[in-house]
Amino acid sequence: DAGVIQSPRHEVTEMGQEVTLRCKPISGHDYLFWYRQTMMRGLELLIYFNNNVPIDDSGMPEDRFSAKMPNASFSTLKIQPSEPRDSAVYFCASSVLGRQAFFGQGTRLTVV
Amino acid sequence: QQQVKQSPQSLIVQKGGISIINCAYENTAFDYFPWYQQFPGKGPALLIAIRPDVSEKKEGRFTISFNKSAKQFSLHIMDSQPGDSATYFCAAGNSGGSNYKLTFGKGTLLTVNP
Repeated sequence: DAGVIQSPRHEVTEMGQEVTLRCKPISGHDYLFWYRQTMMRGLELLIYFNNNVPIDDSGMPEDRFSAKMPNASFSTLKIQPSEPRDSAVYFCASSVLGRQAFFGQGTRLTVV
Repeated sequence: QQQVKQSPQSLIVQKGGISIINCAYENTAFDYFPWYQQFPGKGPALLIAIRPDVSEKKEGRFTISFNKSAKQFSLHIMDSQPGDSATYFCAAGNSGGSNYKLTFGKGTLLTVNP
């Protein structure tokens, strides 16, 4: 298996633009997590899904953030409109039964 | 209640030395305590994990010590090598019900000098 695949690896966008981050989890995994990593706040859980259903989105910072998982092999995290303070590395992770989480390589987002 | 406090923030060790990173948690419902290792430009990767029914778990040069009464756990890296230089995160989770999310510590940047 290729592991968790995220795209793009890097994204630079202007403030106010819409940004969509993509994730393909490991086949057979039933949990999918979106994390944000910054120097100040470390790794923060934004939202997680179980069997494509959002379970806990209490970490989503604002209504500007939304996440979907239309099927077991694809998830998106969308920021609209983006702001400079959204600049961070966003990680997607997947697991079986929520135990060992396998992380993707992350998307480094820069909002200028 | 959901916090996991990790220390130190950074650590410099000589090759062959012992690296020790400590974590403390508050939520007594946590029952899964993994450590993740992250290299620059990569995502975190599971290193070793422990459950509260044991006080120690060892895998190669890596050992987790767990103190349930103190709500603390630590990672020991024996015979530290320059290749161990990375950021280490402790985490804690609750595998009960459907709530499997992990709460991470802020991370420790380990540098092992040759």
